[in-house]
Amino acid sequence: KQEVTQIPAALSVPEGENLVLNCSFTDSAIYNLQWFRQDPGKGLTSLLLIQSSQREQTSGRLNASLDKSSGRSTLYIAASQPGDSATYLCAVRRVSTSGSRLTFGEGTQLTVNP
Amino acid sequence: DGGITQSPKYLFRKEGQNVTLSCEQNLNHDAMYWYRQDPGQGLRLIYYSQIVNDFQKGDIAEGYSVSREKKESFPLTVTSAQKNPTAFYLCASSLQGDQPQHFGDGTRLSIL
Repeated sequence: KQEVTQIPAALSVPEGENLVLNCSFTDSAIYNLQWFRQDPGKGLTSLLLIQSSQREQTSGRLNASLDKSSGRSTLYIAASQPGDSATYLCAVRRVSTSGSRLTFGEGTQLTVNP
Repeated sequence: DGGITQSPKYLFRKEGQNVTLSCEQNLNHDAMYWYRQDPGQGLRLIYYSQIVNDFQKGDIAEGYSVSREKKESFPLTVTSAQKNPTAFYLCASSLQGDQPQHFGDGTRLSIL
């Protein structure tokens, strides 16, 4: 059974810092990995999607990497801003006999202080 | 504009009562999903549907039921058999089963 773990559970940083969020998964037979952002009381917004054949994806100040063999992904946020404060979730997509499904980590709650 | 609409935003259930959460999408997506989110935990899959008139159980389907009579609608019923229904429920859809999922804003269900 696929398990996804995110470390740390919570992180508080001053504005302007570069930071790294970690995601690890137990089964390397994944289709892709996705990073999401969730604001309090809201749904999820997709940030980056990395296919299993890719090593990284970039969007603005965000960079996500994937090392399938070691079961790890990192989300790098450059020059953090208070507006980046949210919970960040990673999810891996596995393919089963009944279709592909997402398995989510518990999330990292990020606070960027002005 | 296109998106996923969940209603109501807040819902209260009495003991022994069934309640139905609504999820509607106008993205013309084939696949739809229901997740449950508890504090400090990730999302867990309740049910999913890859096409109209078909759906499969997820990891925590006990105490829940769904229907998929129309492409744009995937309502979730929380039955009285679900003994711990207090949670945040999220609906999602994707063009097809292996495409990125788009999420609604969720329904928070509480017990009176």
